[in-house]
Amino acid sequence: GDSVTQMEGPVTLSEEAFLTINCTYTATGYPSLFWYVQYPGEGLQLLLKATKADDKGSNKGFEATYRKETTSFHLEKGSVQVSDSAVYFCALRGGSQGNLIFGKGTKLSVKP
Amino acid sequence: DTGVSQDPRHKITKRGQNVTFRCDPISEHNRLYWYRQTLGQGPEFLTYFQNEAQLEKSRLLSDRFSAERPKGSFSTLEIQRTEQGDSAMYLCASSFSGEETQYFGPGTRLLVL
Repeated sequence: GDSVTQMEGPVTLSEEAFLTINCTYTATGYPSLFWYVQYPGEGLQLLLKATKADDKGSNKGFEATYRKETTSFHLEKGSVQVSDSAVYFCALRGGSQGNLIFGKGTKLSVKP
Repeated sequence: DTGVSQDPRHKITKRGQNVTFRCDPISEHNRLYWYRQTLGQGPEFLTYFQNEAQLEKSRLLSDRFSAERPKGSFSTLEIQRTEQGDSAMYLCASSFSGEETQYFGPGTRLLVL
């Protein structure tokens, strides 16, 4: 069945460092891909998405490109801030009714 | 529009008791999903409604779990005879047909003692 594998955490970076969180997927067809973020004490929020191959999703300085050839959707940010500290989830829209299939999440801590 | 809301936010119960959670989706959204998230894991799909019809149930949804969406608006998730393994965060999400994005509520954290 469909699945998502993402980089294990936790990831600890200094402020202004470059961030990459790897995400690969297994799916039939070409599902839409998402990154959701969960800030401490808050619910899941959509960070960005891409609906077809070679699409780039971007938001708040984060970017991810839908790579069909490598079945990947890696999250990147050029310069992280302390406020980016959160848990990041990669997901694909699969299932017969469009439910989301999530990776296990990657906890990011950014130190000043 | 205040987004997806869930009630209660926290629930502590004893093993064997029944619990019920409520989800109020974004008002114009006709699709509603329930997910369960355990510590250190991503959310896992439980069940899905389109309007009032429950169209899919995950194998994770044992016979002790039941969900309803009687008028196609709010939804309830009931767990009967709770077990310690039911301890988790229960998340509700909603979306509109034709939209890819699901919007999540804050979740109900359940602890079964």
